[in-house]
Amino acid sequence: DQQVKQNSPSLSVQEGRISILNCDYTNSMFDYFLWYKKYPAEGPTFLISISSIKDKNEDGRFTVFLNKSAKHLSLHIVPSQPGDSAVYFCAASLFGNEKLTFGTGTRLTIIP
Amino acid sequence: DAGITQSPRYKITETGRQVTLMCHQTWSHSYMFWYRQDLGHGLRLIYYSAAADITDKGEVPDGYVVSRSKTENFPLTLESATRSQTSVYFCASSESPGSPLHFGNGTRLTVT
Repeated sequence: DQQVKQNSPSLSVQEGRISILNCDYTNSMFDYFLWYKKYPAEGPTFLISISSIKDKNEDGRFTVFLNKSAKHLSLHIVPSQPGDSAVYFCAASLFGNEKLTFGTGTRLTIIP
Repeated sequence: DAGITQSPRYKITETGRQVTLMCHQTWSHSYMFWYRQDLGHGLRLIYYSAAADITDKGEVPDGYVVSRSKTENFPLTLESATRSQTSVYFCASSESPGSPLHFGNGTRLTVT
C-alpha cells in the first residue's frame, strides 16, 4: 500500500514558466514532508522541507505548500530552469522519526 | 573529501550468490539507511541503523542482512541473490532523526 503517491510520472514545462509537482499521502500521522531531487547516476539530494505546523515554506525559487485537510503537498519551481530537469521525490515521516516514506517520483523536463 | 561513498557502482551476480554492497560515510552521522529504487515503487527502505550495533528492519528487509560494527560503515549483504533483487541500491546517512538524508550515488545490481 503506497502511503505517499506521486500520480504524475512525468511533467514537461517550458523554461521560465512555473513547474508544479504534486504529492498525496494517506497516513494522517505524517507531519514532516520533504522534497528530494535526483539526477541520473547520482543519489537524491535534499531540496526543501515543511512541517505540519506550516502551510508554506519558501527557499529561493522553490516553494512547498501543504494542505493537511486534503493530505496533499505541492512543490512550485519559479521560474523553471534547464538545470531543474530531474526526478523529484516527495517523502514523509513522523516529525523526529528517522524513517522516511518516499513517493514514486516525477520526472520533470524543462524545455528550453 | 567528506561524504558518503558506495561500492561497487555496478555489480552483476548470479542467482544464489552472496553479494555485499559497501557504504562508508565520513561525517560520523549516527543514522544510516539502505534504500532500493525500483520503477513504480520509488525508494523503499530496506534496513536502517541508529548507531553502531543497532539496526532495524525497514519496509522490504527479506533476503537482506546488515551489520554496523563501526559508525562509518554500513554494509548490505544479499545472502542468496534472487532476480527480484535486481535494483539500484542507495545508502544514506543523517545526523539526527528528522534531519535530511544524505545519499550516496548508488549501486546498480543486476542478478542474472
